Amino acid sequence: NAGVTQTPKFRILKIGQSMTLQCTQDMNHNYMYWYRQDPGMGLKLIYYSVGAGITDKGEVPNGYNVSRSTTEDFPLRLELAAPSQTSVYFCASSRPQQGLTEAFFGQGTRLTVV
Amino acid sequence: AQSVTQPDIHITVSEGASLELRCNYSYGATPYLFWYVQSPGQGLQLLLKYFSGDTLVQGIKGFEAEFKRSQSSFNLRKPSVHWSDAAEYFCAVGAASSGTASKLTFGTGTRLQVTL
Repeated sequence: NAGVTQTPKFRILKIGQSMTLQCTQDMNHNYMYWYRQDPGMGLKLIYYSVGAGITDKGEVPNGYNVSRSTTEDFPLRLELAAPSQTSVYFCASSRPQQGLTEAFFGQGTRLTVV
Repeated sequence: AQSVTQPDIHITVSEGASLELRCNYSYGATPYLFWYVQSPGQGLQLLLKYFSGDTLVQGIKGFEAEFKRSQSSFNLRKPSVHWSDAAEYFCAVGAASSGTASKLTFGTGTRLQVTL
């Protein structure tokens, strides 16, 4: 089983460039999430989605956009890359049932903005 | 708002010694609690979870955790640490879904080093 797949694994961007981080899951999970991980800061929620066509902001959404056109895919878009967006990005998915919130994570995308 | 505190940034133990990683949470209702492990360059893997019932939960790789409501804690334990347990450990608290997104709030993590 593939689970949650993120591409690319690594990327270097110049300031002002744009890019899309891809995330796809094959577990038929309705909930999907994007987190960023910075040293000593744990994981911060950027955006999440409860199903196709529905997205909402998390704790740190500024500078990012998302879309959810299918159940499987949840891409994260950076429009104008800034050094503060240098981080490791994790996509996750879950299928809450009666309040269960276990999330399954991808391997991460390490992004450097120079 | 929910929050998680992991007071130990870095812990070093000898192989074969016992381990306890601390986690304190703040949440207005009964929390859903998790421990995840992250090996270098990898994603997060679920070790164990607590939703309700028995307050001592067993997880993978010989880990266990005990939910103590009176202390707002969910400490992770292992009787005998193996060198392969060296990793970063994250405690997380989740909100009930109730038709809205169930989101996890993570602590800042504890890095475990194991000496031989």
